[in-house]
Amino acid sequence: GAVVSQHPSRVICKSGTSVKIECRSLDFQATTMFWYRQFPKQSLMLMATSNEGSKATYEQGVEKDKFLINHASLTLSTLTVTSAHPEDSSFYICSARAGTSDPISEQFFGPGTRLTVL
Amino acid sequence: AQSVAQPEDQVNVAEGNPLTVKCTYSVSGNPYLFWYVQYPNRGLQFLLKYITGDNLVKGSYGFEAEFNKSQTSFHLKKPSALVSDSALYFCAVRPFSGGYNKLIFGAGTRLAVHP
Repeated sequence: GAVVSQHPSRVICKSGTSVKIECRSLDFQATTMFWYRQFPKQSLMLMATSNEGSKATYEQGVEKDKFLINHASLTLSTLTVTSAHPEDSSFYICSARAGTSDPISEQFFGPGTRLTVL
Repeated sequence: AQSVAQPEDQVNVAEGNPLTVKCTYSVSGNPYLFWYVQYPNRGLQFLLKYITGDNLVKGSYGFEAEFNKSQTSFHLKKPSALVSDSALYFCAVRPFSGGYNKLIFGAGTRLAVHP
């Protein structure tokens, strides 16, 4: 099956700094990528949807100026957590979908990035 | 509101016994239904999906799920559980209508299979 990678797998940063997380589709072109956040023992919450070459669509309650998403190519999307605070500590998971015209094309998930803000 | 419910936080099963992880949904129109599994500190792995056709869907690792439209359920099943099946299982739905692009996830059910 299709492979999605994330880098880094773990990151620890100081409060007030910015952190960039990369999501790559390794063997297919991802026209759409999704960013999720998962709190301990909770489900995945969709943060935003990004289509290659256009601005991301953020879910209600997600600050677009804090969580910057760039989908500059068909194989790479980045999530930058700006001015991170301890409450931003979470597990961030991306997923990628190959075709926008096929409503049933699967989302393939990355392994996740554990962010800890001190 | 569109939602997915997984009523059990945890399911405990003895190895070799059949297992069921429950899922019900509430969406408008006909949904696409999915099951994913998550191992510790890992992303989600796709298990199976229902789009249309036969209500019994077979997926990876011997899992299957049955779509029941009248009960709006999509329970995950396996005839004989393995210890290695212990993980967190998520049911998800993608509503069919309106080009809706998102997956709506249930809260997850932790499956513990005991030797």
